[in-house]
Amino acid sequence: KQEVTQIPAALSVPEGENLVLNCSFTDSAIYNLQWFRQDPGKGLTSLLLIQSSQREQTSGRLNASLDKSSGRSTLYIAASQPGDSATYLCAPIGTGTASKLTFGTGTRLQVTL
Amino acid sequence: SQTIHQWPATLVQPVGSPLSLECTVEGTSNPNLYWYRQAAGRGLQLLFYSVGIGQISSEVPQNLSASRPQDRQFILSSKKLLLSDSGFYLCAWRDTGAYGYTFGSGTRLTVV
Repeated sequence: KQEVTQIPAALSVPEGENLVLNCSFTDSAIYNLQWFRQDPGKGLTSLLLIQSSQREQTSGRLNASLDKSSGRSTLYIAASQPGDSATYLCAPIGTGTASKLTFGTGTRLQVTL
Repeated sequence: SQTIHQWPATLVQPVGSPLSLECTVEGTSNPNLYWYRQAAGRGLQLLFYSVGIGQISSEVPQNLSASRPQDRQFILSSKKLLLSDSGFYLCAWRDTGAYGYTFGSGTRLTVV
């Protein structure tokens, strides 16, 4: 059974800092890995999708890396802004017909002025 | 383009009442469909998934059921709600030809 751990659980930083959010998963037999953002009381917004054949993916100030063999992914946020405040969720996508997502409990980020 | 609709956005129901939450997807065919629940202060838990019409797989034993009467329609139901059914319910789809998941905006269910 896939288990996902995200470190740190919570993070508070001043605006402008570069951030590193860590994700580890126990079963490396994954199809892909997806990073999401969740604002309080809202649904999930997809940030980045890393296919198993890729090692990283970039979108604007976000960069995600994937080391499938060691069961790790990292999300880098450059020059953080107050609008980045949210919970960030890492979710490996399993293989097989169902291709199930497994979530950790996320990293709650607060960026202050 | 593909979109996912989920309703209602919020719902307050008494204990013992029935439940029906609906999710529909547009702009794709034969998607994988999923129901997740997020209880207060907890992570997202997969409840049901479906790889085709009439095909439902349950991940955890519970008071809920799911149905897929049409290719792009996924329904979450209960005959009698319990207090423990309260939570944030999210529908998601994954195109079998694509790679990532797309989530709906969610339904906040409070059982009183």
